Amino acid sequence: SAVISQKPSRDICQRGTSLTIQCQVDSQVTMMFWYRQQPGQSLTLIATANQGSEATYESGFVIDKFPISRPNLTFSTLTVSNMSPEDSSIYLCSVGDTGWNEQFFGPGTRLTVL
Amino acid sequence: SQKIEQNSEALNIQEGKTATLTCNYTNYSPAYLQWYRQDPGRGPVFLLLIRENEKEKRKERLKVTFDTTLKQSLFHITASQPADSATYLCALGRGYSTLTFGKGTMLLVSP
Repeated sequence: SAVISQKPSRDICQRGTSLTIQCQVDSQVTMMFWYRQQPGQSLTLIATANQGSEATYESGFVIDKFPISRPNLTFSTLTVSNMSPEDSSIYLCSVGDTGWNEQFFGPGTRLTVL
Repeated sequence: SQKIEQNSEALNIQEGKTATLTCNYTNYSPAYLQWYRQDPGRGPVFLLLIRENEKEKRKERLKVTFDTTLKQSLFHITASQPADSATYLCALGRGYSTLTFGKGTMLLVSP
């Protein structure tokens, strides 16, 4: 198993600004995932971040809007750039590894954009 | 495209009864299906995984069935308790690749 923490837990931001969300894991993991969960919706995968390679983005998500860093096997950041009210959502990171099938999720970051 | 359907209406049951949640999918051949529990303000927590060649999996009061012909999974909680009240998500996957999640069904267990 893995224990994941996220910072910040919540934030209220102004339109046009950017927010960087941090995800820290208590052990080394191969795969880290970033999801968005809008009210009443399912978790939507934004991108997969593997250490040492560029993040892989899902359809509808681009690097300019959601740049991701993965400097080591226990840490990742997601930046939400040039925010608009439509970016208001909960952002979750999760981790997985070879030999696992389940993912372990962080508590999420609740973002409100005014 | 892949589509996962879970009952969007909340399921209300009385304590002690068995709760049954449904997950249907189309346009996908998953190698496995997972169920997660999500409480308000928290991330999902993994509960059970069932593989495509398995019909049923149990863990304590939880039971999952998987019918790849019907493209359906049923998730049962027996002897339900108010503490079981949460949103339950199903997710499909293959190998170590990404998961595709349903919207979830809220379960409310009344004392």
